[in-house]
Amino acid sequence: TQLLEQSPQFLSIQEGENLTVYCNSSSVFSSLQWYRQEPGEGPVLLVTVVTGGEVKKLKRLTFQFGDARKDSSLHITAAQPGDTGLYLCAGAGGSTLGRLYFGRGTQLTVWP
Amino acid sequence: SQTIHQWPATLVQPVGSPLSLECTVEGTSNPNLYWYRQAAGRGLQLLFYSIGIDQISSEVPQNLSASRPQDRQFILSSKKLLLSDSGFYLCAWSVGISEAFFGQGTRLTVV
Repeated sequence: TQLLEQSPQFLSIQEGENLTVYCNSSSVFSSLQWYRQEPGEGPVLLVTVVTGGEVKKLKRLTFQFGDARKDSSLHITAAQPGDTGLYLCAGAGGSTLGRLYFGRGTQLTVWP
Repeated sequence: SQTIHQWPATLVQPVGSPLSLECTVEGTSNPNLYWYRQAAGRGLQLLFYSIGIDQISSEVPQNLSASRPQDRQFILSSKKLLLSDSGFYLCAWSVGISEAFFGQGTRLTVV
């Protein structure tokens, strides 16, 4: 079973559109992270959210941590082709020390 | 600053041959170390993680093993590769339960 469920799995949009990606779990995490990965490379950390209800902005990206610290969302405004990639969420602080739990990812393609 | 080195970047190995992938971290002490495998365009499957030397946990029964001969060195091995071992392997490190930092990955093709 997957501890973190991401949706949608695939997203294909035109440049300039807005989108939201979701990361949901029935478990509580001490922190949740979002990564972006390009083909043939390792994931790169975008943001870490720690406090329930926290909202962080990174240019056109807005990240939100649910009040109960079980879910998160990533909203991209006016998407650009450079936003194309695999977006992964990961939860930390489960029952196993040092363990990160990754979702399956959302593959985003932004067409010019 | 901290850096992570993973090699080789690509590898083509015949079925039944041994495997050794190496990962080293610089600029930090006593990191948590991870080996992940990733199917094409999909999420990460945790294979092994280590919170210290001689402290390695295996997540999935498989044809692979891991060792941590030094604090900042993590090695993924196999005695005999299977076709199903093909994939993209990623090494990562973290401190405590904070975010993970990944290497560039190794594309393994077993033929």
